[in-house]
Amino acid sequence: EPEVTQTPSHQVTQMGQEVILRCVPISNHLYFYWYRQILGQKVEFLVSFYNNEISEKSEIFDDQFSVERPDGSNFTLKIRSTKLEDSAMYFCASREQGDDGYTFGSGTRLTVV
Amino acid sequence: DAKTTQPPSMDCAEGRAANLPCNHSTISGNEYVYWYRQIHSQGPQYIIHGLKNNETNEMASLIITEDRKSSTLTLPHATLRDTAVYYCIVRVLSNDYKLSFGAGTTVTVRA
Repeated sequence: EPEVTQTPSHQVTQMGQEVILRCVPISNHLYFYWYRQILGQKVEFLVSFYNNEISEKSEIFDDQFSVERPDGSNFTLKIRSTKLEDSAMYFCASREQGDDGYTFGSGTRLTVV
Repeated sequence: DAKTTQPPSMDCAEGRAANLPCNHSTISGNEYVYWYRQIHSQGPQYIIHGLKNNETNEMASLIITEDRKSSTLTLPHATLRDTAVYYCIVRVLSNDYKLSFGAGTTVTVRA
């Protein structure tokens, strides 16, 4: 069964550093998403991406965040200057079209120290 | 999107059917009911969705009441691997949509 692949599985970074979280969505999917889950809290929407541009973003997705699909296969989330409160599990997801459900990756655990 | 209400937790015996309720009394005619689950620390997993007809797939069955104000997800023969948080999400179908996760129901399957 096709999978969404995320790397790394765990990243530790110092506050103020830039991090890039990487995702390889399912190849024929058209819609791409990032969600995050702070430990013990709900899964929160960050951003959706379609046709090489952001289609919707949440209030969480401020100027520190950016997304890119540089080569038609990878989908990345960049956090420019990490804060302690950015520590969370970050999930990438993709979807084909219509009323299909999402396929989520297994996540990257980001720890900011 | 319509708000959903789920019990915070429930237990189920291994091998028995698990019936998970969800109330969505403010659902509108063009909103679908989706179910996802999240096994500890993993990414959420799509289970099933429906508009007004009952749906079944290899994982589960979804029964939506005639007035569409509530639904029940049934895992026919629960296994220990079905222990997870189950989310009922209601949303308008569109080409590009985001999911709004609530707290869900923590289902514990016991041997």
